Order: sequence, then C-alpha cells, then structure tokens
Amino acid sequence: DSGVTQTPKHLITATGQRVTLRCSPRSGDLSVYWYQQSLDQGLQFLIQYYNGEERAKGNILERFSAQQFPDLHSELNLSSLELGDSALYFCASSVGQEAHTEAFFGQGTRLTVV
Amino acid sequence: GNSVTQMEGPVTLSEEAFLTINCTYTATGYPSLFWYVQYPGEGLQLLLKATKADDKGSNKGFEATYRKETTSFHLEKGSVQVSDSAVYFCALGRNYGGSQGNLIFGKGTKLSVKP
Repeated sequence: DSGVTQTPKHLITATGQRVTLRCSPRSGDLSVYWYQQSLDQGLQFLIQYYNGEERAKGNILERFSAQQFPDLHSELNLSSLELGDSALYFCASSVGQEAHTEAFFGQGTRLTVV
Repeated sequence: GNSVTQMEGPVTLSEEAFLTINCTYTATGYPSLFWYVQYPGEGLQLLLKATKADDKGSNKGFEATYRKETTSFHLEKGSVQVSDSAVYFCALGRNYGGSQGNLIFGKGTKLSVKP
C-alpha cells in the first residue's frame, strides 16, 4: 500500500459527460501529480500541484482541469468526454516538488468512455 | 526535448536467468533517473534511482548505473524469479529550477518469468 488513495477505482460513462477523479496523497506529501496511462501513448504527465499551487503542466487537454485543496487532496475534472479519453489515470504524491524526491503512486482510476 | 527510450517487450525468461532491460535517455542538463515497476492491477512502485552520473541504484537484487557518456540507465538482475514478472518503466526527472517534479516515462517493458 503506497498510502495514496484514488477514487473511484472504475468509472464507466458516456461520451460528452463530465467526471471527477479524486486523489488523497500520502500523509505529509505536498506535491500531487496526475498521469494518464493508455496503450498507445504510454504514461503521460498531465499536471503537478504543490501545496495548492500549480507547478507544472504537461499534455493536459483544455477539457481537463485539476485543483489541489487546502487539505492537499486533489481532483481531476474531465469534461466533454470522448472515446479516446478512456485510460487509466494515476495520481502520485511526493514530499517535495523536485524531480529527485520519490513519487508514490495510487492504484489508479480506470475510466471507460462508451 | 527530453525523452526516454526503453527496449520493447515482452521479455520472457526462465527462472534464475540474467535480466537486462535497456534504457537510454535524451535530456538537457543532469536529470535524475528512475526505474519503476508495475505489478498487475497495481500502481507504479519505485524500484531504484540515481541522481547523478556514475551513481548506481540498487534494490531487491536489481541494479542500474547512471552512464552520462552513453546516456543510459540499463536495468539488470543476476537471477530473476517468477515474482519479478511485471512491467518495468524507465523514467527521468528534470533537475532544473527545483520546482518541477514530474517524471518522463519510457513505454514500459513487460517481463514474464517462467518457472
């Protein structure tokens, strides 16, 4: 158990809908990262927050948004969903905001868009 | 840009065989390098890391050495077990400015170890 909790574990929704994925980081970790894992694209970085502030942005679509709340949990919002958004979405957390600090991954949310 | 290339899988080995999974990278500056492992149905776990050139990361019998001259970080294990069956990801983290901690991953290599 990594200490990172993601909910829900599975989500099935229709095209055009909006969903929210939730992540609770390990106790004491200030950074939260979101990654998308798909068969064709592999693991792609979406966005990083550190102590409530956005720190880095990767290949995140405009239809996607995220935030980190004062209690440090984070939510990833995906809207106007398309079939191609079907993927495994991972949250990770780390103590610091730098690359050399170890990142701990949750078990992921598997999103299926039908 | 920054990228990681690792050998395509799947790799199938017999128990106690020697394992090498190749990983090369392209990066500006001096990145940190990582190997993560993903067991079926689980998230990624850090296996080992190296933060500067010539560093050797090791854990659970796995080793990898940060080679700046060949921009490589190959994963090795002398004797694999069935329990090592998983997907292995090579990754780099950029160390500039100190404010961006995201990782850039390779596509992953699936390892299957047969008894």
